[in-house]
Amino acid sequence: KNQVEQSPQSLIILEGKNCTLQCNYTVSPFSNLRWYKQDTGRGPVSLTIMTFSENTKSNGRYTATLDADTKQSSLHITASQLSDSASYICVVSWGGGGADGLTFGKGTHLIIQP
Amino acid sequence: DARVTQTPRHKVTEMGQEVTMRCQPILGHNTVFWYRQTMMQGLELLAYFRNRAPLDDSGMPKDRFSAEMPDATLATLKIQPSEPRDSAVYFCASGLRTGPNQPQHFGDGTRLSIL
Repeated sequence: KNQVEQSPQSLIILEGKNCTLQCNYTVSPFSNLRWYKQDTGRGPVSLTIMTFSENTKSNGRYTATLDADTKQSSLHITASQLSDSASYICVVSWGGGGADGLTFGKGTHLIIQP
Repeated sequence: DARVTQTPRHKVTEMGQEVTMRCQPILGHNTVFWYRQTMMQGLELLAYFRNRAPLDDSGMPKDRFSAEMPDATLATLKIQPSEPRDSAVYFCASGLRTGPNQPQHFGDGTRLSIL
């Protein structure tokens, strides 16, 4: 059964600190992995998309890694800001890679405290 | 910035009523998705269209849900009759199917409450 597990469920850190969110998946055949940021009351916004052959991708202070062998991904946030407070959702595509198959994690709720 | 527009933003109605949610995808995008998000289940894909044709609606309870794209600028998701368990946030997203790794652009959702 295709599954995406995210950890931790929630995380509170102080402004300026770094943090790492985890995503483990059991999805086959793998096509790509996406990280989304969702602010309260808004739709998700794409941060990164990685294919099988990519193991690192950055978007500003966000860096995603992918280990296709262990089926793990992480999202690292550097020098956190108050605006980083949001839910972060990991989504894995399988099959043809479009919406042929999409499996969603339940997200990590991140709170940045001043 | 081009955006996906969803209406209404909020809807409260009694069970048994028909609910219609609308989505205007980003101009030029040829793929449209409908999602439902709840605290318990997270995000779930309900249906998606490519070039206005429905490609997959296996995530949708077909006895009461229907999704259509009457034209390239409008997608609708209808629930009839609505039930309290349909209470959720419904998102529409659009994208360009030029390759499997193109991002999807989400609207801000319709928050639906069925009493």
